[in-house]
Amino acid sequence: KAGVTQTPRYLIKTRGQQVTLSCSPISGHRSVSWYQQTPGQGLQFLFEYFSETQRNKGNFPGRFSGRQFSNSRSEMNVSTLELGDSALYLCASSQQGGVTEAFFGQGTRLTVV
Amino acid sequence: AQSVTQLDSQVPVFEEAPVELRCNYSSSVSVYLFWYVQYPNQGLQLLLKYLSGSTLVESINGFEAEFNKSQTSFHLRKPSVNISDTAEYFCAVTSGYGGSQGNLIFGKGTKLSVKP
Repeated sequence: KAGVTQTPRYLIKTRGQQVTLSCSPISGHRSVSWYQQTPGQGLQFLFEYFSETQRNKGNFPGRFSGRQFSNSRSEMNVSTLELGDSALYLCASSQQGGVTEAFFGQGTRLTVV
Repeated sequence: AQSVTQLDSQVPVFEEAPVELRCNYSSSVSVYLFWYVQYPNQGLQLLLKYLSGSTLVESINGFEAEFNKSQTSFHLRKPSVNISDTAEYFCAVTSGYGGSQGNLIFGKGTKLSVKP
């Protein structure tokens, strides 16, 4: 069974640009969560999608957005990039509801210059 | 609001020595607790979890953690570490959706360095 796949693995963008990251969850998983990992702030929850609906949202500005498609694949978008957006972005998928385990992808390393 | 404190940012230890990585949480509701491990340039892997029942939980590679409600702690222990245990360890908490882990609150992480 394939794991969580995140693409691309590495990205370099310029301040002011926008970026889209992709996450393909494990087959059958309907929940996808996104996290930002930085040396200063650690791991912070961005948002969770379940069956194409945002179910939870962390404390990030509106420049950070996401969506989920009918096949459960998810994308997150960051507009008007800032230097501080440089981070490892991790995606995690899990089955619907109940007591489940979240499986993480290897992440996308975004560098903003 | 929930929060997680990992008391040590770095823990150096010699091979075959015991280790304890400390984790304290703060929450006004019932919680589910997790330990994740992250190897360099990798994502997170679930090491073990406490959802309910026995307060002592174990992983397949020799780690264990004990949920202590009165002390709001969930410390991770291993009686004898290996070089391959060198990694960063994260403690996390959630209270939503019966443990669906849709919204994990993480500690800052503890870097475990095992020396020969």
